[in-house]
Amino acid sequence: AQTVTQSQPEMSVQEAETVTLSCTYDTSENNYYLFWYKQPPSRQMILVIRQEAYKQQNATENRFSVNFQKAAKSFSLKISDSQLGDTAMYFCAFMKHGNNDMRFGAGTRLTVKP
Amino acid sequence: EPEVTQTPSHQVTQMGQEVILRCVPISNHLYFYWYRQILGQKVEFLVSFYNNEISEKSEIFDDQFSVERPDGSNFTLKIRSTKLEDSAMYFCASMKGASTNEKLFFGSGTQLSVL
Repeated sequence: AQTVTQSQPEMSVQEAETVTLSCTYDTSENNYYLFWYKQPPSRQMILVIRQEAYKQQNATENRFSVNFQKAAKSFSLKISDSQLGDTAMYFCAFMKHGNNDMRFGAGTRLTVKP
Repeated sequence: EPEVTQTPSHQVTQMGQEVILRCVPISNHLYFYWYRQILGQKVEFLVSFYNNEISEKSEIFDDQFSVERPDGSNFTLKIRSTKLEDSAMYFCASMKGASTNEKLFFGSGTQLSVL
């Protein structure tokens, strides 16, 4: 079974600064996908960024980037130039290739302070 | 952009009652899911559905739960006899296929409150 661990229940960052959220996972699979989802107070689940395990290049989406270390089974999210609107819960998630379910970590509550 | 829609946004029910949560996945998607999130906790997988049958389910998805795709557009989750601990946000999600570019699209959730 796949497990996803987010070891930081809460984090805070000053507006305009950079923050990194940690995620590790456990799997015996070689082909899979990793995701970061943002959940603002509205509780909508919003996809932030996605990484295919077979790709060595780290995914980036504007101010969001990941540091994917496949051997270490680590998938951290870096948010640059943090904005107040980034305040949310962030969930790391794992999905096997060709499989049907996505498994989530426990989440990290990020607060961006003015 | 197409969306997954869920109705109602909030449902209140008495313990022991049956509830049906409704979802309309994105129209050309083939894989459908239900997740739940108890307040303050992580998002938990309940069930996945493909080709008109359950493809995978978690230990949470016991005999009290069932899913249906009664027509070409709706995807429902039924809880037969609700318990207090069923109170949670229930998210429906859909995915187009299982190729390398796939991702789950989530609905905005139904908050179920069991009294």
